[in-house]
Formats: sequence, structure tokens, C-alpha cells
Amino acid sequence: AQSVTQLDSHVSVSEGTPVLLRCNYSSSYSPSLFWYVQHPNKGLQLLLKYTSAATLVKGINGFEAEFKKSETSFHLTKPSAHMSDAAEYFCVVSDMDKIIFGKGTRLHILP
Amino acid sequence: DTGVSQDPRHKITKRGQNVTFRCDPISEHNRLYWYRQTLGQGPEFLTYFQNEAQLEKSRLLSDRFSAERPKGSFSTLEIQRTEQGDSAMYLCASSLGLFYNEQFFGPGTRLTVL
Repeated sequence: AQSVTQLDSHVSVSEGTPVLLRCNYSSSYSPSLFWYVQHPNKGLQLLLKYTSAATLVKGINGFEAEFKKSETSFHLTKPSAHMSDAAEYFCVVSDMDKIIFGKGTRLHILP
Repeated sequence: DTGVSQDPRHKITKRGQNVTFRCDPISEHNRLYWYRQTLGQGPEFLTYFQNEAQLEKSRLLSDRFSAERPKGSFSTLEIQRTEQGDSAMYLCASSLGLFYNEQFFGPGTRLTVL
């Protein structure tokens, strides 16, 4: 069985400081992992994905994530937060025929 | 615009009525997915199509729900005898090929059941 846990429902950081959004997963197979972002009143957009290639994945808007099999984690990071990063972020795990979204982490950016 | 479109964007209905939503995927995408998202939750998978074949249905998809993709292009999701618990955002996504490919999401249809 597969599952995904986003460890924080809300994260607040100051503009210009690093962002860390945490995600742990479980999967019976070698999973594919994704991060999607949802801005208010906009559709979900893919930030980045891991599909068994390089463990450090770079995405759009300066985000990156590292796949750590030993820790079953896929945390999302960004060196310097921008006001436009304020949104809901979803970690997603997918294997052969199932896809599961985490409950989301709302990122707040403080001026 | 060649993205995924959904119609209507908002639907308000009374309990017991039937509603139908439409999704138009990106034209060359063979896979089409339906999700439901309630407040404070991530999208929950409902069903998906590969071309016109419906290949997987979640246990969330009760007998009151039916989805079709008759010609492998657009899809419809119908809810019969709506209940207040059906109030949610219904999302459609499309992709090429397998689950590890990026899914492109539409803006969603927000359903409110009074």
C-alpha cells in the first residue's frame, strides 16, 4: 500500500529566507514522486518530479527536492523565499496504477 | 489556450438533483483523470481513462457517480441524486502515457449542494 504524509499543514517563512516543506511516503514499488503547487483560484501546477533518475531534482521557480530512499522522504526546498511563493503545496506519490496526494502544506511568506 | 478546460466553473444545485460536468483535455493526451478536492484536503483520485476505456475507479466513486469518455476526447462526470456531502471541487487532469508523467490540471468545477 502506498501513502504520503506532509508533516506540516502550515509553514511560515520570511521573504528571502530558506523554505523547507517536508514529505514522507511509503510505497510497495519504486515510486514516482511529485510536488505540485496550487495558487489561489488557479489550477495545480507541477513543480518537479522524481522518476528514479537523479536523486536531487530541480524544478521551476528555484525549487528542488531530494529523494532519500533510506528515510522515505522527498522534502521540497528553496534557498530564498519570494512573496509569490505563497500557495498550497502538495506532495504526490505514484506507482504502477495509483496516485495519492498529500493533504497539502500552506506556505505563508512574511514580509 | 490549449490547456485543460472544465465546464461549468461553478455549480449550485439542490439536494437530490443530478449534475453533469465536462472536461476537455489537452488534445494529444490519451489519459484523463478525475479528482475531488474538499476544503483543507489534497485532491482524491476518483477515476481515470486511457483513451475511451475507464481503467480504474476509486471506492470513493459511489453508484451515484458515473464518468464517460465516449470518443477518447472530452469526458463527463455525472452525479445523480446529489447529497450535501458531494459539495467539493471536482478536478480534471490529462497526461500522456503512464502515471509517472506530468498531469496537467484544469481549473476545476466547484459544486455546492444546498
